[in-house]
Amino acid sequence: DQQVKQNSPSLSVQEGRISILNCDYTNSMFDYFLWYKKYPAEGPTFLISISSIKDKNEDGRFTVFLNKSAKHLSLHIVPSQPGDSAVYFCAASGAAGNKLTFGGGTRVLVKP
Amino acid sequence: DVKVTQSSRYLVKRTGEKVFLECVQDMDHENMFWYRQDPGLGLRLIYFSYDVKMKEKGDIPEGYSVSREKKERFSLILESASTNQTSMYLCASSPIPQYPLHFGNGTRLTVT
Repeated sequence: DQQVKQNSPSLSVQEGRISILNCDYTNSMFDYFLWYKKYPAEGPTFLISISSIKDKNEDGRFTVFLNKSAKHLSLHIVPSQPGDSAVYFCAASGAAGNKLTFGGGTRVLVKP
Repeated sequence: DVKVTQSSRYLVKRTGEKVFLECVQDMDHENMFWYRQDPGLGLRLIYFSYDVKMKEKGDIPEGYSVSREKKERFSLILESASTNQTSMYLCASSPIPQYPLHFGNGTRLTVT
């Protein structure tokens, strides 16, 4: 049973518009959440994170929102750029350590 | 910059062979991890290690073992490769207790 789910396997967006990626989790012990970005033939790279004591974290064009009551987080990319075309993974961890549980990924295509 | 190096980008092995996947990190990180990535399933944790000669099972350890004789090196071993172990294998490292994980570029293993 997947504890972290990304229900949209793919997303297509026009350059300059907003990309919104969603992630749901079931384990109420998760208290730290991360997004990773992966290009083909490369390993995932860390993008942005959020602790459960916050509901928003922003880093440049990337903002992550956390809704603990709904066990839902989202990643907003504004404005989207062609270089953002990649697979994005949501990940979560509990307080016990830094073992991460990943979602299935969302493939984003930003069209020029 | 942290560098995590996986010795092979592509491997083709036959069913029943013993397979070694090697990973080396150059930042003196305590934690090292092996994940496999499959379409729609995201990254799933196979094994991890918090210290030399120490190992912990992840979510899908069956059919795999690991070795960590030196801090910088973490090996994944497929004792008798099977076709359902065809996958992308990703090694990662991190310092205790902080994120993020730093990933290698992956080894695509095909078992025929």
